[in-house]
Amino acid sequence: DQQVKQNSPSLSVQEGRISILNCDYTNSMFDYFLWYKKYPAEGPTFLISISSIKDKNEDGRFTVFLNKSAKHLSLHIVPSQPGDSAVYFCAASDDSGYALNFGKGTSLLVTP
Amino acid sequence: DTEVTQTPKHLVMGMTNKKSLKCEQHMGHRAMYWYKQKAKKPPELMFVYSYEKLSINESVPSRFSPECPNSSLLNLHLHALQPEDSALYLCASSRRTDRGGDQPQHFGDGTRLSIL
Repeated sequence: DQQVKQNSPSLSVQEGRISILNCDYTNSMFDYFLWYKKYPAEGPTFLISISSIKDKNEDGRFTVFLNKSAKHLSLHIVPSQPGDSAVYFCAASDDSGYALNFGKGTSLLVTP
Repeated sequence: DTEVTQTPKHLVMGMTNKKSLKCEQHMGHRAMYWYKQKAKKPPELMFVYSYEKLSINESVPSRFSPECPNSSLLNLHLHALQPEDSALYLCASSRRTDRGGDQPQHFGDGTRLSIL
C-alpha cells in the first residue's frame, strides 16, 4: 500500500521558471520528509528535508513546503535550470527513523 | 561524486551462482541499509544495520544474506537467485537510525543485477 504518493509521473518546465513537484502522504505518523534527486545510472542524492514542526525549509534554489493538515508537501525549484532535469523522489519517515517510504517519483524536464 | 561506494556496478549471474555485492562508506556513519529498486518503482528497504548489528530484515528471502564486517563495510551475499531478483541494489548510510530526517540517508550509485 503506497503511503507516499507522487501523482504526476512527469513535469516539463522552461528554464528560468518555477518547478513545483507535489507529494501526498497517508500515514499521520510520518514526521520527517525528504526530497531526493536521481539521475540515470546514479543513486538518489539527498536534496532537502523538513520536520513536521516546520511548514517551510529553504536551501538556495530549493524550498520545501509542508501542509500537515492536508498531508501534502511540495518542492519548489526557482529558477529551474536544465541540470535540474532528473527524477525527484519524495520520502517520509516516522520516529522509528530507519524506514524511508518513497513515492514513485516525478521526472522533471527543464527545457532551454 | 557519491561518498557511498558500491561494487560492482553491474553483475550478471546464473541462478546457481554465488556472488557478493559490496558497499563502503567513510563518513563515520553507524547505520547502513540495503534497498532493492525495480524499474519505474521506488526503492524498497531490505535490511538495516545499526552499529554493525542487523536491526531490520523486511521479510527478505534467505537467498539474500547481509553481512556487516565493520562500521564502514556492508556486503550482500547472493545465492540461488531467481530471475525476478533482477533489479538495482542500492546501499545507503546515515549517522544513526534513531531519527530519519535530521540525518538523511546517503545512497551509493547501486549495483545493476541481472539473473539469467
